[in-house]
Amino acid sequence: GAVVSQHPSWVICKSGTSVKIECRSLDFQATTMFWYRQFPKQSLMLMATSNEGSKATYEQGVEKDKFLINHASLTLSTLTVTSAHPEDSSFYICSAEDRRSSYEQYFGPGTRLTVT
Amino acid sequence: LAKTTQPISMDSYEGQEVNITCSHNNIATNDYITWYQQFPSQGPRFIIQGYKTKVTNEVASLFIPADRKSSTLSLPRVSLSDTAVYYCLVGDTSSASKIIFGSGTRLSIRP
Repeated sequence: GAVVSQHPSWVICKSGTSVKIECRSLDFQATTMFWYRQFPKQSLMLMATSNEGSKATYEQGVEKDKFLINHASLTLSTLTVTSAHPEDSSFYICSAEDRRSSYEQYFGPGTRLTVT
Repeated sequence: LAKTTQPISMDSYEGQEVNITCSHNNIATNDYITWYQQFPSQGPRFIIQGYKTKVTNEVASLFIPADRKSSTLSLPRVSLSDTAVYYCLVGDTSSASKIIFGSGTRLSIRP
């Protein structure tokens, strides 16, 4: 099946700094990618839908100025957590749709963010 | 988006067959049923997808009754490595659409 990668796999940053997480579709083009956040022992929560060449669509309650999403190419979407705080510590997961296989979503391995 | 309901947790033993049932009363005509598996600190992994009746692959079977208001994921002869969270999702795969995850079922397999 198709492969989605994320970088970095884990990151530790200080409070107030910004962190960028990359999501890449390795062997297919993805016009749509999704970003999720997952807290310990909880389910995945959809944060936003990232569309190539256009602005992302954010879910209710997700601050678009804090979680900046850029989908500049058909294989790369980035999530930047700006002015990170300890409460932003979480597991961030992206997924990408492969239109070749009826829009099946492929998930990345996730990025563990810890804000100190 | 059809809402799904699953048991919060299940326990079983190695070598047993495990059946996890998901309710989706408001499933739409174009919706497919998809199951994902997630291990701790990993992204979800696709297990199986179906529309109606029965689907089987090398790891699981999916049973869907005629009214499609529920579905059952069947894992034959589970092992310790099947301990994970299993998510049942319902959505229209003919167009780009977001996936909303429910609570999932935390399956624990014991020796």
